[in-house]
Amino acid sequence: EAQVTQNPRYLITVTGKKLTVTCSQNMNHEYMSWYRQDPGLGLRQIYYSMNVEVTDKGDVPEGYKVSRKEKRNFPLILESPSPNQTSLYFCASSLGGGDEQFFGPGTRLTVL
Amino acid sequence: DQQVKQNSPSLSVQEGRISILNCDYTNSMFDYFLWYKKYPAEGPTFLISISSIKDKNEDGRFTVFLNKSAKHLSLHIVPSQPGDSAVYFCAASEEGYGKLTFGQGTILTVHP
Repeated sequence: EAQVTQNPRYLITVTGKKLTVTCSQNMNHEYMSWYRQDPGLGLRQIYYSMNVEVTDKGDVPEGYKVSRKEKRNFPLILESPSPNQTSLYFCASSLGGGDEQFFGPGTRLTVL
Repeated sequence: DQQVKQNSPSLSVQEGRISILNCDYTNSMFDYFLWYKKYPAEGPTFLISISSIKDKNEDGRFTVFLNKSAKHLSLHIVPSQPGDSAVYFCAASEEGYGKLTFGQGTILTVHP
C-alpha cells in the first residue's frame, strides 16, 4: 500500500530535550516536505527536499533541522524544542515539488 | 504575508445543497492550484486541482473554478453529503519552485 508514515504519532516532551520525528514514504517520490498546522494559520511549510541531499527552507524553518540521506526518509529534528513548537506536524511526499502531495497521518507534539 | 487566503473559517450547508468554498491568492506567479480535504486525526488528502491554463475542472461532485484576473478560486460540491464534512484547504504552487503554499482552511459542516 502506497503510504507516508510518521513516528511517533503523539509526543509530549520538555523544553530543550532533543527529539526526532521520522518520516518514510514507499512511493519512490523525489519530493518530501514537512508542515506544521496551527489553529487559524493553516499548513505552513517548515522544510522541503527536492531529492537526496537537497533540502531547502520553507516558510517557518527556525528551530528545525532536516536531512535527506536516502530517498524514502526525511526526518525532522528539533535540537532544542520550545513551547512555541507545540503543534501538529505533517510529512508529505510527491513526485515533484508542485504536484499532488501525499500526507502522513500527523504527529501531535507538545513541548512543556 | 499570507499569499493564499481562505477568508471563511467555516461554512454550514444542508445535505443535498451546493457547498461553495472560496480561496484568494496574491502571488501572480502561482500557476497550479489544489484543494485538499482533511478529517480529524488524519493527514490531508488531495481532492482536485486546476492548472492556470484552465478556468474549470470537474471531478464527479467536485468542480474547481479559477478566475485569474481576480486571483480567486472556488470549490463547488454538489450535492453536498454529510460525509463531506471536513476541513478544506486550498493550496497553490509556482512552476519550478518546490513548494505548496496553503490557505488557513475552511471547516465545512453538512447537516443531514
